[in-house]
Amino acid sequence: GDSVTQMEGPVTLSEEAFLTINCTYTATGYPSLFWYVQYPGEGLQLLLKATKADDKGSNKGFEATYRKETTSFHLEKGSVQVSDSAVYFCALILMITGGGNKLTFGTGTQLKVEL
Amino acid sequence: EPEVTQTPSHQVTQMGQEVILRCVPISNHLYFYWYRQILGQKVEFLVSFYNNEISEKSEIFDDQFSVERPDGSNFTLKIRSTKLEDSAMYFCASSKRGVTDTQYFGPGTRLTVL
Repeated sequence: GDSVTQMEGPVTLSEEAFLTINCTYTATGYPSLFWYVQYPGEGLQLLLKATKADDKGSNKGFEATYRKETTSFHLEKGSVQVSDSAVYFCALILMITGGGNKLTFGTGTQLKVEL
Repeated sequence: EPEVTQTPSHQVTQMGQEVILRCVPISNHLYFYWYRQILGQKVEFLVSFYNNEISEKSEIFDDQFSVERPDGSNFTLKIRSTKLEDSAMYFCASSKRGVTDTQYFGPGTRLTVL
């Protein structure tokens, strides 16, 4: 079935370091891809998305490119800040009959940024 | 900015008891969802709801679970007879339209079954 695999955490970085969180997917057809972020004590927030191959989603300095050939959607940021400490979830959307959609999530990667 | 809200933030119950988790989706959204995350595991889809009926449900969503939109603002998840394995964080989400529209999530309710 459709699934998302992302690198295990926790990932610990120093402030201003480069961040990559790997995400690969298995899907029938061409899903839309998402990164959600969960800050401590809060709900899941959409960080960025891409709906077709070669699209690049970006937000708050984070970027991810939808790579069909490698079935990947890796999250990157050039210079992380302490405030980026959170859990990051890669997800894909499956269209379902009757309207609406269903997100399939990866396991989440915890990022901790230290001074 | 409109947001999805959930109550309570933490619910503790005894095994076999009924619980109702409450959500207030964003007011002009038409599609509603429940997901859950068992500690240390993936966020899993439970059910989607549109036009006052279930659009799709996962295999997790068995007869012990039900959803309801009792009025124009609330969306509830009921677990009739809780089991230990129902302990998890339950997230409500809503979207304005279906298809690939963005889902907005609430902060979650942590359910602990003793």
